[in-house]
Amino acid sequence: DAGITQSPRHKVTETGTPVTLRCHQTENHRYMYWYRQDPGHGLRLIHYSYGVKDTDKGEVSDGYSVSRSKTEDFLLTLESATSSQTSVYFCASGDRGFNTEAFFGQGTRLTVV
Amino acid sequence: DAKTTQPNSMESNEEEPVHLPCNHSTISGTDYIHWYRQLPSQGPEYVIHGLTSNVNNRMASLAIAEDRKSSTLILHRATLRDAAVYYCILLSGNTPLVFGKGTRLSVIA
Repeated sequence: DAGITQSPRHKVTETGTPVTLRCHQTENHRYMYWYRQDPGHGLRLIHYSYGVKDTDKGEVSDGYSVSRSKTEDFLLTLESATSSQTSVYFCASGDRGFNTEAFFGQGTRLTVV
Repeated sequence: DAKTTQPNSMESNEEEPVHLPCNHSTISGTDYIHWYRQLPSQGPEYVIHGLTSNVNNRMASLAIAEDRKSSTLILHRATLRDAAVYYCILLSGNTPLVFGKGTRLSVIA
């Protein structure tokens, strides 16, 4: 299995606090993605990156920012967490966008109270 | 953006073949057809992908229509472990990996 890990795996935080989730991959993949998954909504793309310092918005990017200063790390930040951001967050990495597979982390369950 | 259409749910008996359909009538010549699945409480996992020709791997087979407007993921002998949501996705160029609703497959023992 590709080496992709998310941290933390579980987090409870208070409304209004900043939160950073980390995705780390050891495969030297160019592409990395952040998704959220909520009951009834499936997986929705938040942000993605196609290289160091190259990022773009996905379907549901409002309230989230990302940074990628190294190939192996992709950080997702909630600047001021809200209850609507309670969700399971998945990150993924892959070598190219269309002709190879992407590998997913095990998810981070975030609860905003 | 190219879109796919899948049935919301399907049911299969254990140890029988399963054919999961996907319609993609607006597919472009450079779109690859990818399939992922998500088992309960896990992240998605890659299943298979193809461009024009049928593809086989240890997990499944992918049958692509001659006009490429539809494809079928084939699980040759469904097991209880195959119960998951299956996603059919079109990818080309630098398009990101975006998931639709997928098909929820139930496997009955």
